[in-house]
Amino acid sequence: QQPVQSPQAVILREGEDAVINCSSSKALYSVHWYRQKHGEAPVFLMILLKGGEQKGHEKISASFNEKKQQSSLYLTASQLSYSGTYFCGTDRETTDSWGKFQFGAGTQVVVTP
Amino acid sequence: DAGVIQSPRHEVTEMGQEVTLRCKPISGHDYLFWYRQTMMRGLELLIYFNNNVPIDDSGMPEDRFSAKMPNASFSTLKIQPSEPRDSAVYFCASSPLFGREAWVRADTQYFGPGTRLTVL
Repeated sequence: QQPVQSPQAVILREGEDAVINCSSSKALYSVHWYRQKHGEAPVFLMILLKGGEQKGHEKISASFNEKKQQSSLYLTASQLSYSGTYFCGTDRETTDSWGKFQFGAGTQVVVTP
Repeated sequence: DAGVIQSPRHEVTEMGQEVTLRCKPISGHDYLFWYRQTMMRGLELLIYFNNNVPIDDSGMPEDRFSAKMPNASFSTLKIQPSEPRDSAVYFCASSPLFGREAWVRADTQYFGPGTRLTVL
């Protein structure tokens, strides 16, 4: 099943904060975050691994709650450059070397001056 | 470094025609992925290759879709015959590794610019 992202869209002013969530009904091994600007390709932001390890972006932070199987991406003191659609990708915890990788539907973020 | 290269960037065709999308992965990347993006379904993984061999094609929607990777530097996604519901942006991505061994190193997928396909 595809991970569920919320909210679908958020509009915020420059300098404001926002939180984007990504949830799964299945146990996850990892959550990947990407950002896609209009008309461009998705660009990798970070990976969160089961066990709490986090790798990626310096200015954007995220968390992974293993009990809830939910990841949250925190856009703090947002900048105009943060505008875009944010996708989470998830890898389910299975007995295989890795589970099926799927992207959520995306959260559109618009940062206004 | 050149990133993932896709061609054409835009394709407009009529229903029933054959469409071929092309991708050149980043040199040295052993994994290649084809994705389809629509408003309704978001980003869907269609198929991926490892060392030119198709590993998982469970995302390919129908027999009308086929993908090949004849060598490490070239892959094609073909739709024959095309239908209006195939209209979407098709992305190719590549990565040096995939799976958990990659993710603990933060190796990830690098996406190409996409091909916007419109089937009339």
